[in-house]
Amino acid sequence: SQQGEEDPQALSIQEGENATMNCSYKTSINNLQWYRQNSGRGLVHLILIRSNEREKHSGRLRVTLDTSKKSSSLLITASRAADTASYFCATRVNNAGNMLTFGGGTRLMVKP
Amino acid sequence: SQTIHQWPATLVQPVGSPLSLECTVEGTSNPNLYWYRQAAGRGLQLLFYSVGIGQISSEVPQNLSASRPQDRQFILSSKKLLLSDSGFYLCAWSPNEDTQYFGPGTRLTVL
Repeated sequence: SQQGEEDPQALSIQEGENATMNCSYKTSINNLQWYRQNSGRGLVHLILIRSNEREKHSGRLRVTLDTSKKSSSLLITASRAADTASYFCATRVNNAGNMLTFGGGTRLMVKP
Repeated sequence: SQTIHQWPATLVQPVGSPLSLECTVEGTSNPNLYWYRQAAGRGLQLLFYSVGIGQISSEVPQNLSASRPQDRQFILSSKKLLLSDSGFYLCAWSPNEDTQYFGPGTRLTVL
């Protein structure tokens, strides 16, 4: 089964609203990353948070990590229609070398 | 700056035919290289990864194989395609153990 699971699977909001996506994982991790994928395209790295960090910001993105609950959240503030995409969390598991394990993704639609 | 290329962008192949997808990286040396497959509307499944020339690790047993004949070239192959091989194939590279950088992908349809 997948290491990371995103919730919700799909999210539809109006432009200007905030979007929150969650990711849960099962084993201890070295870091957790969020990626974005526009339809039919490759993934683009958004942000990385390490296991000893609790919160990180990048522009309109805010990521939190709770290692006790094995969960992370991605918040996109003041969403725009251009934020419409699928968002994936990926975990680098301790002692698993260079591999990332991806979740199933959240499909975000931002309506203008 | 580093760039990653994949080709072809789209491919339609009959069942039982061979496959060769190519991925090349420019602007870096000794990258970690990865092949993923993504089913429609789903997450990514790691197929192969390589930490150096000729070094391939397989994550999922199947009728696909990978090779790394040069430092910045990663090839995904099959001798006989199955219907279940249809999907979106993504190549990625990483300079270290953290961020991965993805190519544009190849859409494979097996009929």
